[in-house]
Amino acid sequence: GDSVTQKQGQVTLSEDDFLFINCTYSTTTYPTLFWYVQYPGQGPQLLLKVTTANNKGISRGFEATYDKGTTSFHLQKASVQESDSAVYFCALGDSGYNKLTFGKGTVLLVSP
Amino acid sequence: EAAVTQSPRNKVTVTGGNVTLSCRQTNSHNYMYWYRQDTGHGLRLIHYSYGAGNLQIGDVPDGYKATRTTQEDFFLLLELASPSQTSLYFCASSARVGEQYFGPGTRLTVL
Repeated sequence: GDSVTQKQGQVTLSEDDFLFINCTYSTTTYPTLFWYVQYPGQGPQLLLKVTTANNKGISRGFEATYDKGTTSFHLQKASVQESDSAVYFCALGDSGYNKLTFGKGTVLLVSP
Repeated sequence: EAAVTQSPRNKVTVTGGNVTLSCRQTNSHNYMYWYRQDTGHGLRLIHYSYGAGNLQIGDVPDGYKATRTTQEDFFLLLELASPSQTSLYFCASSARVGEQYFGPGTRLTVL
């Protein structure tokens, strides 16, 4: 079945630092990949969707890309702010059953 | 106005107790989902549904039942709660693959 691996459990940065979070995936179908963000005390919310290799999803200053050759996908932001502190999940979509397989999440802590 | 609501927001029960978690969505979405979130495990799918009366098994269904009574309402039932079911539970709805809208969560503690 589908699987997603998100190894970075926690990332600690200072404001204006560069953010890079990586996930790898395994699927037998054409992948549709997502990034969700969860702010403290809230449910996750969709941040970005990437449907085609080498295409980028961009939202709120975040950029997502994926590499079909290495079956990996990335979330990056050029300059993080304290308000970006949250948990970031990568997810792989299953179009046949309309469900998602989530990674374990990366806690981002940004200090001012 | 919140489109996915959950109740209760917090629940404490004892081992062997019965618990029902409720979810309502006003998005007019066909799909609804129940997840649990645990440190070190991320979000794991328990059950989901694509319409009233339909139920699909998720990835971690053991110990859980679910029922979709209407397009709006999806319930998660724990008939013999165990401490291992202590968790943060989220409900979500969706109309398109991957674009899910989550509720605020229910924190369940089983003593």
